[in-house]
Amino acid sequence: QITLRESGPTLVKPTQTLTLTCTFSGFSLSSSGVGVGWIRQPPGKALEWLALIYWNDDERYRPSLKNRLTIAKDTSKNQVVLTMTNMDPVDTATYYCAHESYSYTVGYHFDSWGQGTLVTVSS
Amino acid sequence: DILLTQSPPSLSASVGDRVTITCRASLGIATYLSWFQQKPGKAPKSLIYGASHLQSGVPSRFSGSGAGTEFTLTITGLQPEDFATYYCQQYNTYPYTFGQGTNLDIK
Repeated sequence: QITLRESGPTLVKPTQTLTLTCTFSGFSLSSSGVGVGWIRQPPGKALEWLALIYWNDDERYRPSLKNRLTIAKDTSKNQVVLTMTNMDPVDTATYYCAHESYSYTVGYHFDSWGQGTLVTVSS
Repeated sequence: DILLTQSPPSLSASVGDRVTITCRASLGIATYLSWFQQKPGKAPKSLIYGASHLQSGVPSRFSGSGAGTEFTLTITGLQPEDFATYYCQQYNTYPYTFGQGTNLDIK
């Protein structure tokens, strides 16, 4: 059974750096065909994909946020860490991590999500 | 970025109804499309991937179809637990993008 859980601060000040950790179980990020991504959702709004890291260390970022985001994995701890610099009130959102799996016929797709963590950006 | 447009934005239906939600992509995405269900205060739940593949454990009343730029999610025989918001998502091209959501509520 795959589980993911996000952790990190619930409140950050403008201009600070946000660091979120996704701790997972039920899979290994060193196994072929596996990825972990981050998605956020501002209150009352739609989902927005942020970043992905794959088993082979390939990293993908949302272009509009690329200069603010860093994603990294620690396979020994079963964790993926997302850092976002220069936080702004518009970054207030629930942040989710999700497991991506691969099959030849349908490609990579998200199949399991964490419960999410609400991050508020305010002074 | 590939724009996904869902219609309708909101939908009222009754238990037992058959409902269809459409997702249109601004560019062709083959069948690299997923559907998610989200209830208030909860994480999205995967329903469909590869446009038509049912996620394990998802009831068979959910089905997906389409390819290229037009996709549909159909729920046949609505149950009380199906009233939620539904999102489509393309994973053909980075950045991945989501539709704006369709809110399904009880008539």
